[in-house]
Amino acid sequence: GENVEQHPSTLSVQEGDSAVIKCTYSDSASNYFPWYKQELGKRPQLIIDIRSNVGEKKDQRIAVTLNKTAKHFSLHITETQPEDSAVYFCAASWDSGNTPLVFGKGTRLSVIA
Amino acid sequence: DVKVTQSSRYLVKRTGEKVFLECVQDMDHENMFWYRQDPGLGLRLIYFSYDVKMKEKGDIPEGYSVSREKKERFSLILESASTNQTSMYLCASKELSLDTQYFGPGTRLTVL
Repeated sequence: GENVEQHPSTLSVQEGDSAVIKCTYSDSASNYFPWYKQELGKRPQLIIDIRSNVGEKKDQRIAVTLNKTAKHFSLHITETQPEDSAVYFCAASWDSGNTPLVFGKGTRLSVIA
Repeated sequence: DVKVTQSSRYLVKRTGEKVFLECVQDMDHENMFWYRQDPGLGLRLIYFSYDVKMKEKGDIPEGYSVSREKKERFSLILESASTNQTSMYLCASKELSLDTQYFGPGTRLTVL
């Protein structure tokens, strides 16, 4: 089955700097890659996702890139702000229907003001 | 706006007790999921369901069972709670044909 590795487990950046979180997946059939953000004490929420027919997707300060050949995808946050502090989870699945997501172990991002 | 609710935010039970965790979604979603979240281990799938009365084992089903008698409700059952089941339990749902998965607020279960 699918296995998703996520690095780093913790990340501290200065406010205004960029943050990058990387994930690798094992199943070449996977075609859907979402990122979830979980603020302290709250539920995970989808912030951005990408499908395998696209190499990059951007939404304001966040972007996701996908390298299908290498089987890895990354989350990029630019101009970080204190409210970006949270745990971020990457995930992968090969079918958006009945196949469940496989999540990485999460990255705790701290943005230092 | 999608709403996924869970019956309790915090729950304290004793070893050996039978525990029911309830999850309800109000968007007629076909798929529902139960995860447990532990520090450093991320979100691990316990069970999921893609239709009423249907269930599939996830990665860590041992010690758990589920019930889905109605489309909007997915219950997680701990037949005999043990201390190693102390964790945060998250329910989620999604529409079959769409990608976005919506999470409930979580139930923090402590087994003494």
